[in-house]
Amino acid sequence: DIQLTQSPSFLSASVGDRVTVTCRASQGISTYLAWYQQKPGTAPKLLIYGASILQSGVPSRVSGSGSGTEFILTISSLQPEDSATYYCQQFNSYPRTFGGGTKVEIK
Amino acid sequence: EVQLVESGGGLAQPGGSLTLSCVASGFIFSSYEMNWVRQAPGRGLEWISFISTSGRTIHYADSVKGRFTISRDNAKNSLFLQINSLRADDTGVYYCARDQLEVIYNFYYMDVWGEGTTVTVSS
Repeated sequence: DIQLTQSPSFLSASVGDRVTVTCRASQGISTYLAWYQQKPGTAPKLLIYGASILQSGVPSRVSGSGSGTEFILTISSLQPEDSATYYCQQFNSYPRTFGGGTKVEIK
Repeated sequence: EVQLVESGGGLAQPGGSLTLSCVASGFIFSSYEMNWVRQAPGRGLEWISFISTSGRTIHYADSVKGRFTISRDNAKNSLFLQINSLRADDTGVYYCARDQLEVIYNFYYMDVWGEGTTVTVSS
């Protein structure tokens, strides 16, 4: 099975900061990776697929990059509504594993 | 409006069984592959099962293989998850999620999620 390791598990940043979350795969997964945002008590929301393709309706301050084993989710200018937990998920093979999550807090 | 609505959760005894349902609306359910994802209290997301449009191709996470059964009824726009031999660590919120394929590059992703149904396993 492919393991996804996210780092950091928690980060605290100020409004306007540039924030990056890393997702590392235990083996190469090309660009078969998606990112989701989840706020407490709600379902996950798709942000990015294909490692870098922004889902319709997602703000352009959100971006994704990477291929192979290392992937990065970037929020270029953190906003209060970005306070949430972020997960990566691989679609290279079954089981379709998720990363452990990164909780982003606004200072 | 594209929507998925789960039901069937609740309090169940260890060793018992439950069947979760997910009803789709606003899109052609029979054209989409589907998934179940769960989340234990205070924990991360865990993908648990996939089913193809016809129901002929099915995948499970190792943690549920042999105890969980995914199925669908395209005529009723419904997805199901039967859970047998319930254990305390099956407690959590269960989400159904629509599979989507970007055909040019073969990118899969889950683009529509229900709000989830909560399963609590306790005596």
